[in-house]
Amino acid sequence: NAGVTQTPKFQVLKTGQSMTLQCAQDMNHNSMYWYRQDPGMGLRLIYYSASEGTTDKGEVPNGYNVSRLNKREFSLRLESAAPSQTSVYFCASRQRGYYNEQFFGPGTRLTVL
Amino acid sequence: AQRVTQPEKLLSVFKGAPVELKCNYSYSGSPELFWYVQYSRQRLQLLLRHISRESIKGFTADLNKGETSFHLKKPFAQEEDSAMYYCALLYNTDKLIFGTGTRLQVFP
Repeated sequence: NAGVTQTPKFQVLKTGQSMTLQCAQDMNHNSMYWYRQDPGMGLRLIYYSASEGTTDKGEVPNGYNVSRLNKREFSLRLESAAPSQTSVYFCASRQRGYYNEQFFGPGTRLTVL
Repeated sequence: AQRVTQPEKLLSVFKGAPVELKCNYSYSGSPELFWYVQYSRQRLQLLLRHISRESIKGFTADLNKGETSFHLKKPFAQEEDSAMYYCALLYNTDKLIFGTGTRLQVFP
């Protein structure tokens, strides 16, 4: 099993450009998450999906949209990238259950110039 | 609102010294807490969860509800323990809120 996979690994955008970060998991988990990791800020939840077809905003959703295409895939879209969105983005998945852990992808390092 | 606080950004120790990474939380419900670790060039992974009362790689963490703390401890640090450590709190049954992280450096 590959676990949680993310593409691309690295991306450089110019201000105003758009892009989609892809995430897939093969563990048949219900819940999926997008986080951003910034120095001194830790991980902050951008969006969350409890199941296929449902999404919910996290702490920092502004400037992002998401799609839960099916149970496996959860994509994050930046419609008009801004330098403040320069960050490392992590996707995670979890099987619902009180003590279950989240499994993380390898991350996407995004730079917006 | 729920909150997780890790007061130290960086903790530097020598090999063999004891380590304590601090974590305090604020939560109105019954807390379920985790420690996650990120080694250099690796993905974030679970280190331990409080409910299991387990010791992983020599690390332990005890939930103290009176002090609202979940500090991570290891009696003798090793160089391979150098990593970024995040304390996390489960809320709304399915979401995690993370602290800002503590970088542990273990010198030889």
